[in-house]
Amino acid sequence: DADVTQTPRNRITKTGKRIMLECSQTKGHDRMYWYRQDPGLGLRLIYYSFDVKDINKGEISDGYSVSRQAQAKFSLSLESAIPNQTALYFCATSDPPEGETQYFGPGTRLLVL
Amino acid sequence: DAKTTQPTSMDCAEGRAANLPCNHSTISGNEYVYWYRQIHSQGPQYIIHGLKNNETNEMASLIITEDRKSSTLILPHATLRDTAVYYCIVVGGTSYGKLTFGQGTILTVHP
Repeated sequence: DADVTQTPRNRITKTGKRIMLECSQTKGHDRMYWYRQDPGLGLRLIYYSFDVKDINKGEISDGYSVSRQAQAKFSLSLESAIPNQTALYFCATSDPPEGETQYFGPGTRLLVL
Repeated sequence: DAKTTQPTSMDCAEGRAANLPCNHSTISGNEYVYWYRQIHSQGPQYIIHGLKNNETNEMASLIITEDRKSSTLILPHATLRDTAVYYCIVVGGTSYGKLTFGQGTILTVHP
């Protein structure tokens, strides 16, 4: 089984809808991250969490919110989806002893119509 | 935070070494060089990292110049499965815990 899983893997929604992307990990890591990737571009950090009680905004947090329900779960919500949030979303985890080595999930492909 | 500069694309013949350069001329003393790759649209995969010394693992070797202003990722015997986008990332100091992905280098390995 994969260490970092994301659900759903693909999602089509309409403008204005609220949606949630979920990330679960079995690595026992305290740190979790959400990134988005637009076609032809690198990943950009949306939010990150260094432990259950710690939530931080990343480079592009506007229009997004997150919830760290437990060490193993980190959810990303789009409160009112808009077409320019169409992108590939990745969750990642890391563990301080391993420095900046992050382990990524398989991604969620989101299309906002 | 240090910025990195990588060529947009490179080609390599299967079985040959692939040498991917990265410039990071503004790197600080406490910043590391990390390499990740992304195959098609999969999640990025960690390859290797280093601070000052050259490093080698089962995937690749990392050569960092003495002044630390540039580095080279070496895939010693490239295969078709190494075709991917390779990202060189400088992290540490004030960017601790946050990776900044540029556009990377598209490496195409040819038969």
